Amino acid sequence: GESVGLHLPTLSVQEGDNSIINCAYSNSASDYFIWYKQESGKGPQFIIDIRSNMDKRQGQRVTVLLNKTVKHLSLQIAATQPGDSAVYFCAERQGAQKLVFGQGTRLTINP
Amino acid sequence: DAEITQSPRHKITETGRQVTLACHQTWNHNNMFWYRQDLGHGLRLIHYSYGVHDTNKGEVSDGYSVSRSNTEDLPLTLESAASSQTSVYFCASSPDGRSYGYTFGSGTRLTVV
Repeated sequence: GESVGLHLPTLSVQEGDNSIINCAYSNSASDYFIWYKQESGKGPQFIIDIRSNMDKRQGQRVTVLLNKTVKHLSLQIAATQPGDSAVYFCAERQGAQKLVFGQGTRLTINP
Repeated sequence: DAEITQSPRHKITETGRQVTLACHQTWNHNNMFWYRQDLGHGLRLIHYSYGVHDTNKGEVSDGYSVSRSNTEDLPLTLESAASSQTSVYFCASSPDGRSYGYTFGSGTRLTVV
């Protein structure tokens, strides 16, 4: 079946550097994508979303890029901070309201 | 403030017992979802509901059931708990519309012994 996946399960970056987390999706009909952050012991938290009619969307210190040609999604975090340590999931909308989640990437910040 | 709450936070039960996990939201969202989270599998959809009296099966629905008698609640029942159902369970809700993400609860950690 079609699924959303991630290129790397773990990512380690230096504090202050930029982080890039990647995601591949296979359903070319998907029109809405979301990034979630999950801290230990908590539920996933919405970070940023993007519709398929956009290539880029920016939030506070975060940017999501969508490349529909190669079905690739990325999350960029600027000036990574210790509080950014978490597991990050991309999700793809399938059906009216149903989201399919990727496996997750664990982001670790080195001091 | 509106919120989505799950209870209990932790539960230990024995194999074969019926268990119900509660999910209550005050967002007035029509759409509610149950996911389980296991290492190596990410979040997998169990059941979901688009409104009162509506329920639908997700990709891992065997052994689980839900009912939706009002907007606020979507309880998840494990009819006969199995060790394979040891997991962390998350409930989520979303409003109608094509550009909204989910709001998740804090999760219930269920251990079946």
